[in-house]
Amino acid sequence: DTGVSQNPRHKITKRGQNVTFRCDPISEHNRLYWYRQTLGQGPEFLTYFQNEAQLEKSRLLSDRFSAERPKGSFSTLEIQRTEQGDSAMYLCASSSDRGPWGYTFGSGTRLTVV
Amino acid sequence: RKEVEQDPGPFNVPEGATVAFNCTYSNSASQSFFWYRQDCRKEPKLLMSVYSSGNEDGRFTAQLNRASQYISLLIRDSKLSDSATYLCVVNRDSSASKIIFGSGTRLSIRP
Repeated sequence: DTGVSQNPRHKITKRGQNVTFRCDPISEHNRLYWYRQTLGQGPEFLTYFQNEAQLEKSRLLSDRFSAERPKGSFSTLEIQRTEQGDSAMYLCASSSDRGPWGYTFGSGTRLTVV
Repeated sequence: RKEVEQDPGPFNVPEGATVAFNCTYSNSASQSFFWYRQDCRKEPKLLMSVYSSGNEDGRFTAQLNRASQYISLLIRDSKLSDSATYLCVVNRDSSASKIIFGSGTRLSIRP
């Protein structure tokens, strides 16, 4: 296990289409986070899982966004009816609540809505 | 007001110079603090944690001032490879449930 893996790396979609991203965290990590980053800004928190439970959701996460982590391992983030304002880098990170503190980020999925 | 604020820069300094960034946070209950580095079109990577007593890692020194609610990062003898965006990060609570990022400070080191 070499780190956090995100797929796809890039996604171009037409406005109104649905998209789904996947994140595979570091296997020993029980916490998983989704962040969104736009140009010139720091990552903004979207949601957080501890094991399979979604413990917190940002107000940024509108009804069109849904995230799951069904077995407490990989996670998916789905955006329905995409809008141009959804264009951003979607970053996934994982951490453990045991052992040394540290978030490890994946390389992100860059979404472009045209 | 943003919870974590940074000067966006860019800071453009010559190689070998010393450069310092500050970051302020609004939540006085914040528990822990970090600096992350982000290269263009890459993911953020942990640079260093920031401890109350201040800490140093090679050319990098981080300081925390809880009374004034700011943290700082000092880079000595800057290298071309230090060019990046430096993100100030605050963990609100001891459970480390989520971290809050500043918008980042862009640093460009020129030869």
